[in-house]
Amino acid sequence: GQNIDQPTEMTATEGAIVQINCTYQTSGFNGLFWYQQHAGEAPTFLSYNVLDGLEEKGRFSSFLSRSKGYSYLLLKELQMKDSASYLCAVRDSNYQLIWGAGTKLIIKP
Amino acid sequence: IAGITQAPTSQILAAGRRMTLRCTQDMRHNAMYWYRQDLGLGLRLIHYSNTAGTTGKGEVPDGYSVSRANTDDFPLTLASAVPSQTSVYFCASSSGTSETDTQYFGPGTRLTVL
Repeated sequence: GQNIDQPTEMTATEGAIVQINCTYQTSGFNGLFWYQQHAGEAPTFLSYNVLDGLEEKGRFSSFLSRSKGYSYLLLKELQMKDSASYLCAVRDSNYQLIWGAGTKLIIKP
Repeated sequence: IAGITQAPTSQILAAGRRMTLRCTQDMRHNAMYWYRQDLGLGLRLIHYSNTAGTTGKGEVPDGYSVSRANTDDFPLTLASAVPSQTSVYFCASSSGTSETDTQYFGPGTRLTVL
């Protein structure tokens, strides 16, 4: 079966750095996405990785290792507004997105 | 303002009733999707459409039907609602042509079936 694993919840301090991990086992791989979802709102796109390595976009970076079936999202200089759920999704061989359950990130002052 | 709209925002429905959730996008995207989101679970694909006139089944299609008569609209119908269909429903769209093919989401419909 297909599986995406992420921690259920993480807590971090304002101004700090946090790394959210995602491991996957899917039938085929055609890219990995990270989305942010604030409570009661729609998911919004953060990043996309299809090749191994690090993609940096402002305070957010995303890393991919296809051989390990592993990705992480790195958030720097955390702000209170970063409190949200972070969703990892992999596009499989059918070009459909398989979603993890999401990681709820709590930022404390 | 470009984007995706969904209606209604929320709905309470008696079991056995028929319900259509509406989704409209104005980005001229080829592909559209319906997901449900339940606590503790990832988004699950119900149905999708790669282009107007075509539809396909996702991971959890039973009890749901869709149509894609034109590019902009992709309604989701529950023929006879059951309590297990209580969920938050998100519609999404993507260009269907780019390598990234990022999916963009509507605001969601919160549906309660009693």
